[in-house]
Amino acid sequence: DQQVKQNSPSLSVQEGRISILNCDYTNSMFDYFLWYKKYPAEGPTFLISISSIKDKNEDGRFTVFLNKSAKHLSLHIVPSQPGDSAVYFCAATFQGGSEKLVFGKGTKLTVNP
Amino acid sequence: AAGVIQSPRHLIKEKRETATLKCYPIPRHDTVYWYQQGPGQDPQFLISFYEKMQSDKGSIPDRFSAQQFSDYHSELNMSSLELGDSALYFCASSRGTGDYGYTFGSGTRLTVV
Repeated sequence: DQQVKQNSPSLSVQEGRISILNCDYTNSMFDYFLWYKKYPAEGPTFLISISSIKDKNEDGRFTVFLNKSAKHLSLHIVPSQPGDSAVYFCAATFQGGSEKLVFGKGTKLTVNP
Repeated sequence: AAGVIQSPRHLIKEKRETATLKCYPIPRHDTVYWYQQGPGQDPQFLISFYEKMQSDKGSIPDRFSAQQFSDYHSELNMSSLELGDSALYFCASSRGTGDYGYTFGSGTRLTVV
């Protein structure tokens, strides 16, 4: 049972345009969400997070939006750059727990020059 | 800045053999997590340790065991290896409670032949 779902295995955008990566979750107990970026032969790198008490968090070119009623979050990258090409994982956890993360399957983003 | 160090980077073992994966957390990080990522799969939580005690356990087979030592490094011991154990094994570390954006190592790629 996949509790965190990234339904798009891949996404291709042009440099300078917006990249939107989507993530859905089924467990309403999740209250903290993270996005990780992974390059080949490297471990996932933390990108940005959001608590369930917020609906938006912004960090430079990266913005995460959370819609709790729809159990949906998205990562916006504006403007997209070729160096953003990587696999992006959505992850969720329960605050106050052991901080283990439940990951989605990832979306491979390709930003074309 | 020091990162999470995992060794070895690559490991090839035969079926029914034993493997030991090592993880050295970032200095002053007291929590270690182990994740397994199969080919084309999302990272799956195996086990975590906080202050040398097991803090949570996920989908870790009984053939696997792990511990965290007094210097906070951790070892994942895998016995009676099966072909299906071939995967990337990531270790991550954090400063414990509330530090969700933890840092991953580059992983150990285990191939069982």
